[in-house]
Amino acid sequence: SQTIHQWPATLVQPVGSPLSLECTVEGTSNPNLYWYRQAAGRGLQLLFYSVGIGQISSEVPQNLSASRPQDRQFILSSKKLLLSDSGFYLCAWNGGLGYGYTFGSGTRLTVV
Amino acid sequence: GESVGLHLPTLSVQEGDNSIINCAYSNSASDYFIWYKQESGKGPQFIIDIRSNMDKRQGQRVTVLLNKTVKHLSLQIAATQPGDSAVYFCAESRHNTDKLIFGTGTRLQVFP
Repeated sequence: SQTIHQWPATLVQPVGSPLSLECTVEGTSNPNLYWYRQAAGRGLQLLFYSVGIGQISSEVPQNLSASRPQDRQFILSSKKLLLSDSGFYLCAWNGGLGYGYTFGSGTRLTVV
Repeated sequence: GESVGLHLPTLSVQEGDNSIINCAYSNSASDYFIWYKQESGKGPQFIIDIRSNMDKRQGQRVTVLLNKTVKHLSLQIAATQPGDSAVYFCAESRHNTDKLIFGTGTRLQVFP
């Protein structure tokens, strides 16, 4: 069966520090991968999605970037964090058209 | 579009009652719909889905109704339990795209 892993679960980082969040999927090949951010008590905002290695689409301009170095690995990064980058970050995957997403357990990022 | 900046509406129900959570979608070309449940601090979990060639689908204690005429989706939870307390998101998949568009979300509070 397919599983999705996200780490770390929580992270406290100072303003101006770099960020790297990792997401990996097991049990499937060539998944579509997604990064979402969720502010406290709010909805889900799509940040990036990827349909293959090295293919990244950005949904909103921001201080973040994403990379997909391997088929089942999706990384969210920042060179210098801002206070506004705080939030709950969720990775998700799906198998293509007409299928729902499976979400990871999320990373709670607090920028101080 | 995404309503990620809005506070979540809340539905309060008494334990044992039935709950109905509603969602409106805007694109008549959407042909796949999903309901997710998100508990505090966790990633969204799949509850039930429905395709546009159906108007009703039932799961365990949950029913999804789709009214394509008025572009409305609802989730009915029978005999609501405290463990049903969570935020519920609807999502739509538009024809020929593998991206899900999420609704605002509704917070369900179950009281004894």
